Amino acid sequence: ILNVEQSPQSLHVQEGDSTNFTCSFPSSNFYALHWYRWETAKSPEALFVMTLNGDEKKKGRISATLNTKEGYSYLYIKGSQPEDSATYLCAFSNTGNQFYFGTGTSLTVIP
Amino acid sequence: DTGVSQDPRHKITKRGQNVTFRCDPISEHNRLYWYRQTLGQGPEFLTYFQNEAQLEKSRLLSDRFSAERPKGSFSTLEIQRTEQGDSAMYLCASSSSGGPWETQYFGPGTRLLVL
Repeated sequence: ILNVEQSPQSLHVQEGDSTNFTCSFPSSNFYALHWYRWETAKSPEALFVMTLNGDEKKKGRISATLNTKEGYSYLYIKGSQPEDSATYLCAFSNTGNQFYFGTGTSLTVIP
Repeated sequence: DTGVSQDPRHKITKRGQNVTFRCDPISEHNRLYWYRQTLGQGPEFLTYFQNEAQLEKSRLLSDRFSAERPKGSFSTLEIQRTEQGDSAMYLCASSSSGGPWETQYFGPGTRLLVL
């Protein structure tokens, strides 16, 4: 069983604040790290897939970085908006046959 | 592309009953995955199909669970003699191939409550 950890478990921020979360994963046999956003009653939405050490990806106000040598990824949200409220999941993949998910970070943006 | 769909979205059943869930993947996707998420946990892998072949099963998939993907299109997940511990969100995902960098596209899930 591969251990993928996310912190914090939950976060409340004011609208306009910037925030970041952490995903820790095994540094051995690494192939890819995926980030998803999951809003209540909807399907998890793919945000990023990162494969190379030092990768940085950006989508609007959301960005992510990857450090495969030390086994962590950061997700940043700049200027949080109420519509950013969701659970953010990271998933580690080695063979591609299954994803190993963290427990998620629940973000609430207060208007 | 209508995305991955799952039916039903919610299911309440009594302990000991059988339940069946359906997943319709994105039409051109060869891979189909089932995950289960219990309260406070991230999604956990149950099984996956490459076309109609079931290639891997997690030890979480007890003999009360069976999954099929006839003709390599939609998939069903059946739970026999449900137990209260089966209460969870059951997620289906599909991808075009099996590489670790391939995005898995998820459905909205079926939430099961066993009374």
